[in-house]
Amino acid sequence: EVQLSEFGGGLIQPGGSLRVSCAASGFTFSTYAMSWFRQAPGKGPEWVSDISGSGDNTNYADSVKGRFTISRDNSKNTLYLQMNGLRDDDTAIYYCAKTKASGGRDWFDSWGQGTLVTVSS
Amino acid sequence: DIQMTQSPSSVSASVGDRVTINCRASQDISRWLAWYQQKPGKAPKLLIYAASSLQGGVPSRFSATESGTNFTLTISSLQPEDLATYYCQQAYSFPITFGQGTRLYIK
Repeated sequence: EVQLSEFGGGLIQPGGSLRVSCAASGFTFSTYAMSWFRQAPGKGPEWVSDISGSGDNTNYADSVKGRFTISRDNSKNTLYLQMNGLRDDDTAIYYCAKTKASGGRDWFDSWGQGTLVTVSS
Repeated sequence: DIQMTQSPSSVSASVGDRVTINCRASQDISRWLAWYQQKPGKAPKLLIYAASSLQGGVPSRFSATESGTNFTLTISSLQPEDLATYYCQQAYSFPITFGQGTRLYIK
């Protein structure tokens, strides 16, 4: 059974940094692209970033480009999102998600439970 | 960026009713569209991918069609557990984008 579990969220002041992680199990992690999404209170999901299975190709939403960095450690089956220069509008639940098909980067058939990041002074 | 426009923003229906939700892409996305269901306090759940393919384990009352840049999700016979918000998502190009959601209420 595929399991994704995010952790590392919390309360952080504007301008601060935080790293959230996603522990994966139940599938061959290194063969699947992974994405981070976020969902602000009362809003729909927003795609944040994705990374290829090998980790050598990444994409970012314009809203986080230059501030956030996605990475993965395939030896630990763990996905990361390093968030720097946090702003109030980064406040959201952050989800990691697995693409449905190995090698695909399109739809997402497994999601974690999310971790809440609150940016506030 | 590709804009996804859903309608209606909310819909109220009775158990057993047929419900349709629409999604229009701002440009041709071929069949690169998925539908998700999100229940309160939960992560989105994949219902449909590639415009009309039913995800494993999803009840057959859910179906979807595509016509050009217009996509439709249909629930053939609404059940109480279908109370949720539904989102379309395009996967044609980055950035991946979602519709604004359709909130489904049970009368």
